[in-house]
Amino acid sequence: AQKVTQAQTEISVVEKEDVTLDCVYETRDTTYYLFWYKQPPSGELVFLIRRNSFDEQNEISGRYSWNFQKSTSSFNFTITASQVVDSAVYFCALSEAGNQGGKLIFGQGTELSVKP
Amino acid sequence: SQTIHQWPATLVQPVGSPLSLECTVEGTSNPNLYWYRQAAGRGLQLLFYSVGIGQISSEVPQNLSASRPQDRQFILSSKKLLLSDSGFYLCAGTLEGELFFGEGSRLTVL
Repeated sequence: AQKVTQAQTEISVVEKEDVTLDCVYETRDTTYYLFWYKQPPSGELVFLIRRNSFDEQNEISGRYSWNFQKSTSSFNFTITASQVVDSAVYFCALSEAGNQGGKLIFGQGTELSVKP
Repeated sequence: SQTIHQWPATLVQPVGSPLSLECTVEGTSNPNLYWYRQAAGRGLQLLFYSVGIGQISSEVPQNLSASRPQDRQFILSSKKLLLSDSGFYLCAGTLEGELFFGEGSRLTVL
């Protein structure tokens, strides 16, 4: 069965600190996709990244970076020089290939609080 | 670009009353559409998905139903709400492999 675990329920940092959000997944599929979403207080889920299982290259987008390690089944998310606007709940998610891309298994989320 | 609209944004309903949440999609045609629920514990669970008009698949047994009367319209319904139906409901659609979400509808059943 597929499963996504975000062990960190809440994280609190001070502005400008770096912070890493952990995500560990379980799947028997050889082809799958991993996602990160941001949920600000307004509630809407904002898409951040999608990574397929054959692409283990780390990705950087501005202050955001992602580290995909198939050997440890992890897809961790790092925010560099955090800002107050980064405060939100972050979700990691997994989907198998061929399901039209929308059937996601979500982790329980990590609530990030960035204090000024 | 694709946008997803949901309404109402907030709803307070008594137990046993009916429910209708609507979702419409703009900027694309023939999308795959999904209803997710986010309970108090924050995790999101897929309830229904649809790959076309009149085609509905249910992921979990429950008190709710879904319908897709038009290509870009997806409706979540209930004939009689239960307390356990309270939660934050998110409609979503896929475009080029990415899943985009609407603004969400917060339902409180009293």
